[in-house]
This record gives sequence, C-alpha cells and structure tokens, in this order.
Amino acid sequence: SYVLTQAPSVSVAPGETARITCGAINIGFETVHWFQQRPGQAPVLVVYDDDDRPSGIPDRFSGSNSENTATLTISRVEAGDEADYYCQVWDDGSDQVIFGGGTKLTVL
Amino acid sequence: QVQLVESGGGVVQPGRSLRLSCVVSGLNFSGYALHWVRQAPGQGMEWVALIWFDGSDKYYGDSVKGRFSISRDKSKDTVYLQMNNLRAEVTAVYYCAKGGGSTGDFLDVWGQGTTVTVSS
Repeated sequence: SYVLTQAPSVSVAPGETARITCGAINIGFETVHWFQQRPGQAPVLVVYDDDDRPSGIPDRFSGSNSENTATLTISRVEAGDEADYYCQVWDDGSDQVIFGGGTKLTVL
Repeated sequence: QVQLVESGGGVVQPGRSLRLSCVVSGLNFSGYALHWVRQAPGQGMEWVALIWFDGSDKYYGDSVKGRFSISRDKSKDTVYLQMNNLRAEVTAVYYCAKGGGSTGDFLDVWGQGTTVTVSS
C-alpha cells in the first residue's frame, strides 16, 4: 500500500522556520492533511487539503504539496509548537487512511 | 462544539473480546463519517477503521481486517469498535475521530482516547 516517509526529527530555534516533509511518489496528485500531537494529548488537525487551515489554527502554520513532497511549514516557531507531526492521505488504491511515521519537532 | 468521548478500554486477556464506544455530540450524527485510529505506546498513528455517514460502507486497516468490526447507532449518537480474539500487539490508545470534508477521508476532530491493554 501507499507509504508516506517522514524524517524522525527536526530541530529549530525559537523564531525560526520549521519545515516538516512528507514524501511519496507522486504525492502531489494526492490530498495531504497534517496533524500535531503534543505529548500526552490527542492529535489536532493543523492543515487539511494540502494548504487549508482549520479555524483556530494560527497562520504560522501552512502547507504545500508538489511532485514527490508535501511540506508543513511552521513560521516563527514557538516553544509550544514542540510536538509530533503526522501527515495523512486517503489511498484510493487500498481504500485506507495512510499516516506518515511522524516527525518530532524539537524547539531548541 | 463537536465532542467525541471514547469509553470501553481496559485490561483484557489475550483471546478475549472488547467493544469500544464513542459518543458524539455537537453535530448531526448521521451527517458524518467516523474513524477509529490507534497508537501503540511510543509509536505513531495507525488507522483502524472508517464507517460512512449512513453506515453503508466500512473500511478497515490491513492489520485488523477480519478481527475488528466498526458499527454505528444513530439512536445513541455512538460509533463502536468490536475487537475480537485480542492479541498483545493491539495494546494501544484508541481514538475515534470525525471525518472531515465532503468525503470524510481525513480526521478533523478527535476524542481523547481510551486505552486498551492486552495482557494475561
């Protein structure tokens, strides 16, 4: 089935920009969604349909998707952004939701 | 606001069955698809199952096909996950989540989860 590849970890200093990627062949033809999971908490949707934000999500969070990589960009990173981030697609071939393995964002 | 509250988790012996429940409030229950997702300790997310808004279609992850069953009861605003012949590897936090968008193929609101531990 479809496999989404994420780097295990990303580190960034406060105020800088974090870019978390999700890779797969031709992922640009899929619709990608992103979740944030803080330690001990349930996941929260932060970007859907590649680049839309749910209400209440700061505009520091943005998404893009092209060719073989989807990217979640977090601008002006804050300590509270430290969390695990997961990408997700719906795989039409298997009729299943597919999650990436997750990326742990560390704010230095 | 939309809320999903899971229950039914606990410690269960291998080979036994367990049924999880998720009560949904704050929306028209019959208008949305619903998912179950699990997360084993220290691991990532694993999608478990999806049931269409009217219950007409159900989809399952490869690791649970044939052993888990998803259903919904509109009279109780509740979605269920029946888990049979439990094995240690299903130990996880189980979340229910509302399907987002017109097709319900992403998860836009999540519950807080219920923990299932399979152990003798």
